Amino acid sequence: SQQGEEDPQALSIQEGENATMNCSYKTSINNLQWYRQNSGRGLVHLILIRSNEREKHSGRLRVTLDTSKKSSSLLITASRAADTASYFCATDTSASKIIFGSGTRLSIRP
Amino acid sequence: GAVVSQHPSRVICKSGTSVKIECRSLDFQATTMFWYRQFPKQSLMLMATSNEGSKATYEQGVEKDKFLINHASLTLSTLTVTSAHPEDSSFYICSAFLSTDTQYFGPGTRLTVL
Repeated sequence: SQQGEEDPQALSIQEGENATMNCSYKTSINNLQWYRQNSGRGLVHLILIRSNEREKHSGRLRVTLDTSKKSSSLLITASRAADTASYFCATDTSASKIIFGSGTRLSIRP
Repeated sequence: GAVVSQHPSRVICKSGTSVKIECRSLDFQATTMFWYRQFPKQSLMLMATSNEGSKATYEQGVEKDKFLINHASLTLSTLTVTSAHPEDSSFYICSAFLSTDTQYFGPGTRLTVL
């Protein structure tokens, strides 16, 4: 089962622009993570935000978490061609399971 | 470097055969590992929780007799796809649980059933 949905499902932007992806989830969480996956490859862990945190930064990444709305957003600033990938949010549940959102396919146009 | 490995990275098999995929934690012991399946252009779907020394627990809709999981040691879990069919072709990813905030994912195994 999937914990939640991400939107948009697909996003195409010009290189240099900012990309924003949103994630909604259903149950209470301990933390929320964002992962990147290049086509046909494994997952790359980007950032983890705990349930008591509201915002976190890592390089060009900015993540927000609103537990009252059960939602999170990932902002990638100054996008690059190498950012082209699928991005997934993932929430931990009871029994330490990590459940993934539906994902956003990001394409960066040169 | 990688802390969780999977073997093989790719496998092609004939319909009706069984395929075993290994997931190893390299630098730590993992009493709990997880198996996911990912179809093309879709998200990762949790299949089962692999517990060292006890039976795996399967998510709803996942056939336990079809996907056999053995967690024989603290560093190794195996997933066997029995009597594989073309619809089982997928990307299988494992993860190893270290702590509440730390879970490491393997690089994945691409299974193609002809």
